[in-house]
Parts: sequence; structure tokens; C-alpha cells
Amino acid sequence: EAQVTQNPRYLITVTGKKLTVTCSQNMNHEYMSWYRQDPGLGLRQIYYSMNVEVTDKGDVPEGYKVSRKEKRNFPLILESPSPNQTSLYFCASSPGTGSLEQYFGPGTRLTVT
Amino acid sequence: AQSVTQLDSHVSVSEGTPVLLRCNYSSSYSPSLFWYVQHPNKGLQLLLKYTSAATLVKGINGFEAEFKKSETSFHLTKPSAHMSDAAEYFCVVLWPSTGNQFYFGTGTSLTVIP
Repeated sequence: EAQVTQNPRYLITVTGKKLTVTCSQNMNHEYMSWYRQDPGLGLRQIYYSMNVEVTDKGDVPEGYKVSRKEKRNFPLILESPSPNQTSLYFCASSPGTGSLEQYFGPGTRLTVT
Repeated sequence: AQSVTQLDSHVSVSEGTPVLLRCNYSSSYSPSLFWYVQHPNKGLQLLLKYTSAATLVKGINGFEAEFKKSETSFHLTKPSAHMSDAAEYFCVVLWPSTGNQFYFGTGTSLTVIP
């Protein structure tokens, strides 16, 4: 089944404790992206990647890191999480050039205390 | 800066009546436009997209949207609401001038009254 998977789905952590949220897609898509969703703000793009080893900042990159060492994986790293990073996070992928439809993962709900 | 405005944060309609969800964007220069739907506790699903072909776009579940360049609008409509349409709807824009960055509206929550 074609899909985008994220792990973990739920995470509660403490301020300053490094964490990684994994994202993987099995559709051979070139484009991958991370969003955070907050009430009243819609989804805001954190980082995106057009292909392996190519990443770009979105609207709200501060406090986040990403890497794209393999085409299928695009982990989101929070080196020192803070309470204002409590949010619902979505990973998405897209074939890229010629097709702009994004396929979204199920979401990761992160709480930082 | 580019922006996407969904004019109503909440819309309530009776089952069987028309749905109109409004979306305006900040620049008319060759955008690609999308509507996504998010059901409670679910991920997002594409309803329809406009990428410079026909200005009236048909999507899944009876939804359609019309691209109006002069009004910089891309409103989503459906002739007859169904209970299963209750969800959050997002208008999304991609401008060539901003590379591959997608801009989301803040969302419209649709309630369908039986």
C-alpha cells in the first residue's frame, strides 16, 4: 500500500531532550516536507526537500533540523525542544516536478513540558 | 509576503443545502491551487487541484472549485452537503516565485446539520 508513515504518533517529552520524528514514504517520491499544525494557524511548512541531500527552509524552521540521506526517509530533529514546539506535526511527500499533489502521513502529536 | 486567506473560520450548513468555502490569495501570478480536507483525527486528503488548465476544477465527493484570476479567488463549492462532509478544509497555494514552498490558509471548519 502506498503510504507515508510517521513515528511515533504520540510523544510527550521534556524541555531540552533531543528527539527525532521519523518519516518514510514508499512511493519513490522526490519531494518531502514537514508541517506543523496549530489551532487557528493552519499548517505551516517547516522544511522541505526536493531530493536526496537537498533541503530548504519553509516558514518556521527555527528550532528544527532535517536531513535527506535517502530518498524514502526525511526525519525531523528537535535538538533542544521547547514548550512552544508543542504541536501536531505532519510529514508529506509528492512525486515532484509535474505532479504537485502531496500525500500526508497520519500526524505526530508532540507535547513538550 | 505571499498569503492565503480563508474568509470563514467556521461554516454551518444543513444537510442537502449548498456549501461555499471561500479562499483568496495574495498574488495572481501563475499559482497552483489546492483544496485539502482533514477529517477529525485524520491526515489531509486532496480534494482537487488547479494547475493552469480548465478554470473550473472538479474534485472528489462532488466538490468543485473555480479559479478566478481577476479576483484572486479559488472558492470551493458543493451543490448538496452530506453529513460525511463535516471536516476541516484547507486552501493551499504554490507560487513559482517562491520555489517549492506551499502556503496554507488557516482552515474552515464545516459543520453539517441534520
